[in-house]
Amino acid sequence: GAGVSQSPSNKVTEKGKDVELRCDPISGHTALYWYRQRLGQGLEFLIYFQGNSAPDKSGLPSDRFSAERTGESVSTLTIQRTQQEDSAVYLCASSFFGAGGQNNEQFFGPGTRLTVL
Amino acid sequence: ELKVEQNPLFLSMQEGKNYTIYCNYSTTSDRLYWYRQDPGKSLESLFVLLSNGAVKQEGRLMASLDTKARLSTLHITAAVHDLSATYFCAAPEYAGGTSYGKLTFGQGTILTVHP
Repeated sequence: GAGVSQSPSNKVTEKGKDVELRCDPISGHTALYWYRQRLGQGLEFLIYFQGNSAPDKSGLPSDRFSAERTGESVSTLTIQRTQQEDSAVYLCASSFFGAGGQNNEQFFGPGTRLTVL
Repeated sequence: ELKVEQNPLFLSMQEGKNYTIYCNYSTTSDRLYWYRQDPGKSLESLFVLLSNGAVKQEGRLMASLDTKARLSTLHITAAVHDLSATYFCAAPEYAGGTSYGKLTFGQGTILTVHP
């Protein structure tokens, strides 16, 4: 079946512009996660959604970052007034959540490489 | 706050040799994940370790979990060039019941296997 998809794959923007990054999770996965990976570094958690629960926004680095999710499908991560330090690969992951024999394994999309000039 | 540390961060190996990557985490967790990342690519799931004493093997890689020591290991046997990649371990936040949420990742181990 289809995996996690993200768009665009690459985005180059000018400092101060807003950007929107999109994630389509695996069908049936109720949990969706956003992570950021700066060049040569590990992954930093940003935000996650689980069903109808309030999202865990504890990893968002500033109020310029926000995310939405429509039901249990597509999510959009928005960065307003981009700064050069926002340059990174933004990775989305999805998983089942909870019981039912699932192991909550997260499956990652290909990422969006954001470059802020 | 959960912290995850890997060592070594850089590993240069000769083909045919064995080595182990270590992953320590700071708070109680009964599961641990290993991922592989090739340059410019996303993360590929390697192992899901779900309980204390869990051991899983795939080809030349074997992963284990000791929840009491808060330690997971990724052992490489008779390394080949194709194993060159960055390897991450990650521990999940416990979200209650049988649910787990966000992952905290180690810094990654860059493995280079050369002839």
